Amino acid sequence: GAGVSQSPSNKVTEKGKDVELRCDPISGHTALYWYRQSLGQGLEFLIYFQGNSAPDKSGLPSDRFSAERTGGSVSTLTIQRTQQEDSAVYLCASSLARSSGRDTDTQYFGPGTRLTVL
Amino acid sequence: DQQVKQNSPSLSVQEGRISILNCDYTNSMFDYFLWYKKYPAEGPTFLISISSIKDKNEDGRFTVFLNKSAKHLSLHIVPSQPGDSAVYFCAASAWSNTGKLIFGQGTTLQVKP
Repeated sequence: GAGVSQSPSNKVTEKGKDVELRCDPISGHTALYWYRQSLGQGLEFLIYFQGNSAPDKSGLPSDRFSAERTGGSVSTLTIQRTQQEDSAVYLCASSLARSSGRDTDTQYFGPGTRLTVL
Repeated sequence: DQQVKQNSPSLSVQEGRISILNCDYTNSMFDYFLWYKKYPAEGPTFLISISSIKDKNEDGRFTVFLNKSAKHLSLHIVPSQPGDSAVYFCAASAWSNTGKLIFGQGTTLQVKP
């Protein structure tokens, strides 16, 4: 079946501009996650959506970052007034996340969006 | 506070030998652990997982060992192949927050032909 897809695959923008990154999760997955990976760094958690619950925004680095998930499916990560330090690969993942089975915690990742802020 | 730690940033092994990647955690609430592999310019790919009720899980050339008392897990790859060269991340989740994974910083494995 189709995996997690992300668009665009690459985005180059000028400092101060807003950007929107899109994620289409695996059909039927209730949980959706955003991470970013800066050069030479590990995976940094940003935000987590689980069903109809309020999202866990504890990883968002500043109020310039926001995300929404419409209809329990597609998600958009928005970065306002981009800065050079925002340059990174932004990864989206989804999982079944059912309390009945821990193996449903397994997250499946998309290919990422490489964001470059000039 | 780094709850999941991979203390070795890199590892180099010869093709055909065993690769052992290590991971330590501090949160005793973690009860489900996963390993991911990541190639450059791609998203991480799920490799293998283990529940805290087990101490070993095997899938082909990959075996994950869990030592709960030491809060330590390891991934063994036998025999190692050049195509295994990638960054390996361990991750953990807690029963109290099902679904949210905490990732380590990753270990870059290089398998030399």
